[in-house]
Parts: sequence; C-alpha cells; structure tokens
Amino acid sequence: QQKVQQSPESLTVSEGAMASLNCTFSDGTSNNFRWYRQHSAKGLEVLVSIFSDGEKEEGRFTAHLNRANLHVSLHIREPQPSDSAVYLCAVNSGGSNYKLTFGKGTLLTVTP
Amino acid sequence: SVLLYQKPNRDICQSGTSLKIQCVADSQVVSMFWYQQFQEQSLMLMATANEGSEATYESGFTKDKFPISRPNLTFSTLTVNNARPGDSSIYFCSSKRQGHSDYTFGSGTRLLVI
Repeated sequence: QQKVQQSPESLTVSEGAMASLNCTFSDGTSNNFRWYRQHSAKGLEVLVSIFSDGEKEEGRFTAHLNRANLHVSLHIREPQPSDSAVYLCAVNSGGSNYKLTFGKGTLLTVTP
Repeated sequence: SVLLYQKPNRDICQSGTSLKIQCVADSQVVSMFWYQQFQEQSLMLMATANEGSEATYESGFTKDKFPISRPNLTFSTLTVNNARPGDSSIYFCSSKRQGHSDYTFGSGTRLLVI
C-alpha cells in the first residue's frame, strides 16, 4: 500500500528566500506526482505535476523527481506571505484504479 | 481539464441524520473518488466509484455508513448516514479521465455535525 511522507511538518521562511519541501513515497511503480496548495482548509490548488525523473517548473514552483530514491521535492522561488498555506504531496499508485495518496502536508509560513 | 461542481459547499446537521453530497462533472469521467479531510489533516481516500458498478471502499470506510451512487459518467453522490460529530470534516470529490494524467478536485463540502 502506498505510503507518502512529507517533511518538514512546518517551515517558516522569510519573504524572498527559497522554500524547499520534501516528499517520499513507497511504491516504485508510481508515475504521477503532484503538489497541491491549500489555504485554511479551503479547496486544493494544483501547483506542479511531474511524471518523469528530473525537473518541472511552473512559474515560481519547481518540482524535482527522483524515482530511484522514491523522492519528490518542491522548491518555491521568492516566496511571498500569500504563499503561506499547507502544501500537499500526492502520488498515484500503480494499477488501473488511479488512486492518489496524499502526504500529511507541510505548513509553510512566509514572514515579511 | 474536467471541472467538478460540488454541493452543498457547507452544511450543519444534527447527529443521527443523513446528509447527501453531490458531485457533477462537466464532461464524462470513468472514475470518481471521494476523500475525507479532518481539520489540519491530510486527505484520506474513502472510495472509488466507477459508473455502473459498486463503489470500492478503502479500509475504515463502509458502504452502510457512506453509500455512494454513480448512476452515470458525470454524476456521483456521497451520503453520510447516521451522522456523528466525528464525521465533521471536509469531503472532496475527485475525478480522473482515462488516458489523461490530470486529477480534478471539487471545491469541497464542509460538514459540521452537532
């Protein structure tokens, strides 16, 4: 059964400094990875989707995937206070039912 | 990508009553998923619903407590039976079109059981 773990649980960075979030998964056959942002128990906003090893950039958000190491990360360039939110890593499972498993999230606080 | 419309956005219900949450897709999708999120927790997959077949439930979720219907390729409902305060959470529907990599989420239904 897929297990997804995120670290750190919480992170505080200053405005403009790089923020780096980590996510590990257990199913080596996974091929669909995405990072979501959730402000104050509201809806989910997809930030980046990545499907192969390497890097994928969407604006200020960059995901790095290393499937051999079962690791995917998110880097936020020049974070702003409005980026303060919970960041969720989601990974699919192999098979035909396309289930997504979420990590517990990283609470990011960006201070002015 | 597919858009999912979920209603109600929020609801308050008395313990012991039932609540129905609807999810409508703007195009046909093979699989729909329902997730539960407690405050400051992650999303937990409750069940997978494919059109024309019984929903498949994850460990900890049952058909009696959370019956799901999937009458066609654009619609699904989740019912919370015999609601208890412990069911107070946000419920999300989600979908994925076959052959596409995108997952779409509804805006969520915040349920408070008193």
